[in-house]
Formats: sequence, structure tokens, C-alpha cells
Amino acid sequence: SQQGEEDPQALSIQEGENATMNCSYKTSINNLQWYRQNSGRGLVHLILIRSNEREKHSGRLRVTLDTSKKSSSLLITASRAADTASYFCATMGGANSKLTFGKGITLSVRP
Amino acid sequence: GAGVSQSPSNKVTEKGKDVELRCDPISGHTALYWYRQRLGQGLEFLIYFQGNSAPDKSGLPSDRFSAERTGESVSTLTIQRTQQEDSAVYLCASSSNRGLAGPQHFGDGTRLSIL
Repeated sequence: SQQGEEDPQALSIQEGENATMNCSYKTSINNLQWYRQNSGRGLVHLILIRSNEREKHSGRLRVTLDTSKKSSSLLITASRAADTASYFCATMGGANSKLTFGKGITLSVRP
Repeated sequence: GAGVSQSPSNKVTEKGKDVELRCDPISGHTALYWYRQRLGQGLEFLIYFQGNSAPDKSGLPSDRFSAERTGESVSTLTIQRTQQEDSAVYLCASSSNRGLAGPQHFGDGTRLSIL
């Protein structure tokens, strides 16, 4: 079964706008990771946030983690057409190194 | 440096045939993972290798699926007597350390189509 569930399933925005994507999970985690996948390609790691962290930034990306609500959000500021892709959250438990992926969010950024 | 390399990039075969998919991880990465991604879906874990430890095979969907890894290098995923339901993209990933549970680096996958 999948741990991370992203919301919304699809998002379409205008270039320059911010995109917010959410992820909820069910069991305790060691860390949560966000990945991007362009069509026909493998996944690219974007950012990792550990269970004892609440917020993390990387360039135009901001990730928050609320372990009490078992949820995370990924914010992409000032979006660009090149941000068009599928975005996945993945959780990693403490006892092993298996990542459990959600079904992904399809982001379309209109030029 | 070179990333994770997978071959072939595409494979079309008839139902009932065996297929072998190859993954070359990033040099020095001790952990290697195989995933299956059906169209429009997330990634489904198949198998995990870590150094010389016994692999975690808990995600393999049936005994038609098997995988091997030679030391900390190349891995092959074999699917015997393929079925149409095996059609998917098979992704390989590697990572440099286990204890710190860091990010995984993915290849571009093998797109498998069973006729």
C-alpha cells in the first residue's frame, strides 16, 4: 500500500504564480523526500526533510513538515514553464531504507 | 560524473518470453533499488540491495521476478514468462549510504511492453 498521498492530483497554474502541493502519510517516518519526474525520465531528488525538521528551503522550493498532522507541503515560488512535471512525495521509515511513494501530482505551468 | 544507467531503454516482447533488464548504479553507491511504475501511477518497490547483505525481496510480485547484483556494481532484474500485466516502466535507483537514509538517484528506466 502507498504511504504518501499527494493532493491535488493535478494542478495547472500560470507562469510566475506559486504552486503548492500537499502530501499526507499514515505512519511515523525518518524523513520525507520530494522528487520530480519529467515525462519519460527517471525521478530527480528535490529536497529531503527529516522528522525533526519543520521547514527547509532550496532555491525556489520550500518544504514544510508537520509530524503531528502527518503532512508535508511543497511550495514552488515564481513558477516557470520548465517546472511542468510530476511531483512525488516519498516517506522513509526508521527501520529500513525503503522509500514509499505516493501517486504523484501533475503540475502544468502555462507560459 | 555518470548517473545511474539502465538498459535497454525500451523493450517490446511477446507474452511468455523472459526479459532481462540491466542497471549500472553510480560508482561507489552501496544501495540499489528496483521499482515498477505503471502508467500514471507512483513507484512500486520491488527489491533492495545493500552491500553484501541479503537483499530485501519483499516487493517482488511473484516468483517470476528475480534480481541479482554483483558486489556493489551492476544489477539485473529478470522477469520470466512475461504477462501483459508486467507492462510498465522499471526504474533503478542507487544511494550512497544507508544509515543516513539519504536521497536516491534514479536512472531513466526501461519501458517494457508485453504484446
